[in-house]
Amino acid sequence: GEDVEQSLFLSVREGDSSVINCTYTDSSSTYLYWYKQEPGAGLQLLTYIFSNMDMKQDQRLTVLLNKKDKHLSLRIADTQTGDSAIYFCAERGYSSASKIIFGSGTRLSIRP
Amino acid sequence: EAQVTQNPRYLITVTGKKLTVTCSQNMNHEYMSWYRQDPGLGLRQIYYSMNVEVTDKGDVPEGYKVSRKEKRNFPLILESPSPNQTSLYFCASRSADTDTQYFGPGTRLTVL
Repeated sequence: GEDVEQSLFLSVREGDSSVINCTYTDSSSTYLYWYKQEPGAGLQLLTYIFSNMDMKQDQRLTVLLNKKDKHLSLRIADTQTGDSAIYFCAERGYSSASKIIFGSGTRLSIRP
Repeated sequence: EAQVTQNPRYLITVTGKKLTVTCSQNMNHEYMSWYRQDPGLGLRQIYYSMNVEVTDKGDVPEGYKVSRKEKRNFPLILESPSPNQTSLYFCASRSADTDTQYFGPGTRLTVL
C-alpha cells in the first residue's frame, strides 16, 4: 500500500537552514504537501507541490521534488525559534476524492 | 472566521462507556475526515465523508462510527471505548475543489 516516510527528529542551529526529507511509495501521487503542527495545535498546511513541478519557493520555504526517486524535501532558510514544530509530509492521488496519506512527522528543534 | 471546531478538547473516560466527539466546520466544505495521531505513526485516517450521508472507512476504522446528517457536522462515536483508543484525534475538512485541508484543534482522549 501507499507509504510516506520521514525521519523523526531534526535539530538545527538558529539562523541555519533546515532540510526535512520525505520519501513516498505511490508513483501515482499527484499532490505532495507539507504541514506544520505547533505544540497543542492542529495541522496547518504550509505549502504543496504538484507532481509535474520539481521546485516551489515561497519566502523562506523551498520544496524540492525528485519524482524519479519519490523524494520530497522542505528547506527552511534562516531557521527561527518559531519554526520549532512537527512537520508532516503528505501525498494524495489525482482525484479530489483521493485519500491523503501522512508521514509520521519530523520534530524540528532549534538550538541557540 | 473559517474554522473547524471539536469538542471536547480533553476527555478521560473508562472502558466501555460510549462517547461522542463532535466536529463542526463553517466553510461549507464537502469533505470531512477524522484522524488519530499516535507517536511515531503520524496521522492515520479513521473515517472520511465526501458529502452528506456519504461516509467511508479510512485506514483504522475498527471501534469507531461516524455520521454525516448535515454538511457542517461530522461526529465521531466510540460505542465501547478501549484503552488502545487513547490518542489525539483530529477532525479536518476541505472543499472538493481545493487542496487546503483545515484541521480542528484536536481532542486528547484517554481511556482507562
